[in-house]
Amino acid sequence: AQSVTQLDSQVPVFEEAPVELRCNYSSSVSVYLFWYVQYPNQGLQLLLKYLSGSTLVKGINGFEAEFNKSQTSFHLRKPSVHISDTAEYFCAVTTNAGKSTFGDGTTLTVKP
Amino acid sequence: EAGVVQSPRYKIIEKKQPVAFWCNPISGHNTLYWYLQNLGQGPELLIRYENEEAVDDSQLPKDRFSAERLKGVDSTLKIQPAELGDSAVYLCASSLVGQGAPNEQFFGPGTRLTVL
Repeated sequence: AQSVTQLDSQVPVFEEAPVELRCNYSSSVSVYLFWYVQYPNQGLQLLLKYLSGSTLVKGINGFEAEFNKSQTSFHLRKPSVHISDTAEYFCAVTTNAGKSTFGDGTTLTVKP
Repeated sequence: EAGVVQSPRYKIIEKKQPVAFWCNPISGHNTLYWYLQNLGQGPELLIRYENEEAVDDSQLPKDRFSAERLKGVDSTLKIQPAELGDSAVYLCASSLVGQGAPNEQFFGPGTRLTVL
């Protein structure tokens, strides 16, 4: 079985500040890691994913994440946030068999 | 390219009534997912189809929920009868799954169900 823990339910930051959204996971099998973003009244859309290779992955909108196998973490970062980054962010893991498990989300609020 | 289409976007019903949600995935995507999303929580898988076959329905409450994906394209999720606790957002997603690492899922906007 897999589980995903997003350590912060809400993260308020000021515009142009850096941000880190934390994600830890547990799994008895190998998993692939994803970050999705959900804007109000919209579906989830992919920010970035880690499948293999370099542990630092870059995604859309200036976001990046680092896979740490020993700490079973996949934290999302952005060096300078914009108002438009205000949204809900979900970390997810998917097994080779295609089973996906999502975290409960982190609400990022960017203040002017 | 059209995204995942869901209808209706909103539905309000009284408890014990039936309700159905429809999903049309992205053209060519062989895998379709139905998720339940409660307020303040992440999506929880209800059922996953690969083409016409339901390959994971372990979390689907089969006493009141049913789903079908005829012809391996669009899908319908039904609840009968609905209970107050079914109030949530029902998300549909699709992906193209083949051999190797899983691809991203593309999500529809969801159907927000309110049971009174």
